[in-house]
This record gives sequence, structure tokens and C-alpha cells, in this order.
Amino acid sequence: NAGVMQNPRHLVRRRGQEARLRCSPMKGHSHVYWYRQLPEEGLKFMVYLQKENIIDESGMPKERFSAEFPKEGPSILRIQQVVRGDSAAYFCASSPVRAENTGELFFGEGSRLTVL
Amino acid sequence: GDSVTQMEGPVTLSEEAFLTINCTYTATGYPSLFWYVQYPGEGLQLLLKATKADDKGSNKGFEATYRKETTSFHLEKGSVQVSDSAVYFCALSDRGSNYQLIWGAGTKLIIKP
Repeated sequence: NAGVMQNPRHLVRRRGQEARLRCSPMKGHSHVYWYRQLPEEGLKFMVYLQKENIIDESGMPKERFSAEFPKEGPSILRIQQVVRGDSAAYFCASSPVRAENTGELFFGEGSRLTVL
Repeated sequence: GDSVTQMEGPVTLSEEAFLTINCTYTATGYPSLFWYVQYPGEGLQLLLKATKADDKGSNKGFEATYRKETTSFHLEKGSVQVSDSAVYFCALSDRGSNYQLIWGAGTKLIIKP
């Protein structure tokens, strides 16, 4: 049973380019969470999605960032016109139910974005 | 709002030493509390949890007791190994945070042989 799969593991972009990060949740999981981790810092919640719906995007910057979780295919976190401050590790986590009910999230290995 | 405070790292110990990583929280309700571990180059994984006061979570030799009176959930292990080197995150889930998981900043643990 494959775990949460994220790709790419490492992504380098120049300022102004677009970054697309993909996340395939564990089989049977319909709840997906995206987090950002800056160097030497904890996790910051970005967005919570359930198949085709954004449930909570309170942690997502209002501009340049978007997320989707289509009926078919992986969840995508999209960052347009990247800036150096976007450099971070982006983690995806999935859960079979709302994670808040159990507290258990299953994390991917992260995508590390570097903006030059 | 709800928050989690962890002791700053890195914490450096010798193998077989006793470990304590402090975690305190503020919450408006009765939160559930969690410890996650992140090994180098990997994602986080749940280590243990406790859902009500005086509960003790335990796993892989680690323990933490939910102390409502001191609003704490300190992580302990009696004898650490080099393989325990990782970053440890304390987190809570509470009605006051709309049941989002609220994370501490993480504590890096380094175990020397």
C-alpha cells in the first residue's frame, strides 16, 4: 500500500516562473492537507481539500497560490510568479477522514522548492 | 488563539541518556495532543497521542502524559539511541482552532554515539 506520493522532490525555479507541486494521497484517502515548512521552522497550514472541494484555505496567501484536488488525479499546489520567499519545503498529508477527528495525518516526503 | 510552545533545539545527548522535550499549550477547549517525528529527508509521522487529561500516549519507548493542570505534554524516553535523531513536533487539535492541527516549531534531537 503506497504512502503519500509527492513530486517533484526537488524543484528549482527562477523568480517569476510557476511552480506546480503534486500530491497523490494514500489509497482510500479523500482528505488532503498542504503545509509549508521554512528552514528551522515548524509547519504552517496552507489548505485543506476534500475531493473537488476546498474546505479551508485560511493559511493560503491570497495571491499567486492556488490548490486543487480533482475527481481524478493528484492534488496540485500551484505557485505563480514565484519569489525568493517562496523557497521552502511543501508537505502534503492525507487522511481517510477529517484529520481533526483522529489527529493522524499521513505525510509525504515533501517537495523542496528553491527560487533563484 | 490556540498555540503550542516547544523547547528550542537542538538538543544534543549521548546514547542511552534520558530524554525530555518540553511542550506546553494554550487552548480554549479540551484539546487532543500529539507528537510527530520527522526523520532526516522524510515527512512527518505520528509518534503518539493523548485525547484527554491524564492519558498517557506511548510508542517506540517514547511516552507523554496529558497534564491539564500544567497544560503540558512533555515527551520522554528513558534511553535514547542514535536512530532517534530527528525533529520532534508537538501539536494539538481543538474546537477553538476549528479543529485544525496547531503545530509547535519542532525540536531537533541529536544523539551522539
